Amino acid sequence: GEDVEQSLFLSVREGDSSVINCTYTDSSSTYLYWYKQEPGAGLQLLTYIFSNMDMKQDQRLTVLLNKKDKHLSLRIADTQTGDSAIYFCADFNQAGTALIFGKGTTLSVSS
Amino acid sequence: SQTIHQWPATLVQPVGSPLSLECTVEGTSNPNLYWYRQAAGRGLQLLFYSIGIDQISSEVPQNLSASRPQDRQFILSSKKLLLSDSGFYLCAWSVSDRASEQYFGPGTRLTVT
Repeated sequence: GEDVEQSLFLSVREGDSSVINCTYTDSSSTYLYWYKQEPGAGLQLLTYIFSNMDMKQDQRLTVLLNKKDKHLSLRIADTQTGDSAIYFCADFNQAGTALIFGKGTTLSVSS
Repeated sequence: SQTIHQWPATLVQPVGSPLSLECTVEGTSNPNLYWYRQAAGRGLQLLFYSIGIDQISSEVPQNLSASRPQDRQFILSSKKLLLSDSGFYLCAWSVSDRASEQYFGPGTRLTVT
C-alpha cells in the first residue's frame, strides 16, 4: 500500500539551514505537499511541488523532488525560532481520493 | 474566502460514552470532506472521506462512524468510546473536481478517561 516515511526529529540552531527529508511509495501523484503544524493547531499548507518539477523555491523554502528515488525534501533557509513545528510530507493515495501523511518531523530551533 | 470550523475544541469523555464531533465548511460548495486522527507519535491516520452527501468511505475499521447530513457539514460519531480513541481529530476539505490540496480545521483534542 501507499506509504510516506520521514525522520522524526531535527534540531538546528537559529540562522542555520534545515533540511527535512521524505520518501514515498506511490509515484502517480500529480502533486506532493508539505504541511506545517504548530503546537495544538491544525495543519497549514506550506508549499507543494508539481510532479514534473525537480525544484521549487518560495522565499526561504526550497522543495527538491527526486522522482527516480521517490525522495522529497524541504529546505528552510535562515531557520528562525518561529519555524519550530512539526512538518508533514503528503502524497495522494493510489485512488487519488485523499492525502496520506508521514508521521511528521519535529523541527526544534534553538537560539 | 473559505473557512473550516470544528467543535468542540477540547473534550474529555469517559470510556463507554457516546461521541459527536462536528465540522463545517464555509465559502465553498460540494467540497470533499475528510476526518483524520492524530495520535501521539503516529502521524495522521485517515478515518473517513466523503465526496458528497451520503457518500462516505471508511478507511479503517473501528468503532467510529461518520455522517454528512448537509453538503458542508461532516460529523464524526461513536456509540461507545474506547481509551484508544483518545487523540487529536482533524477535519479537512478539498475542492471536489480534482485531486487537490486539503485544508484543515483547528482540530478537536479528545481525551477518553
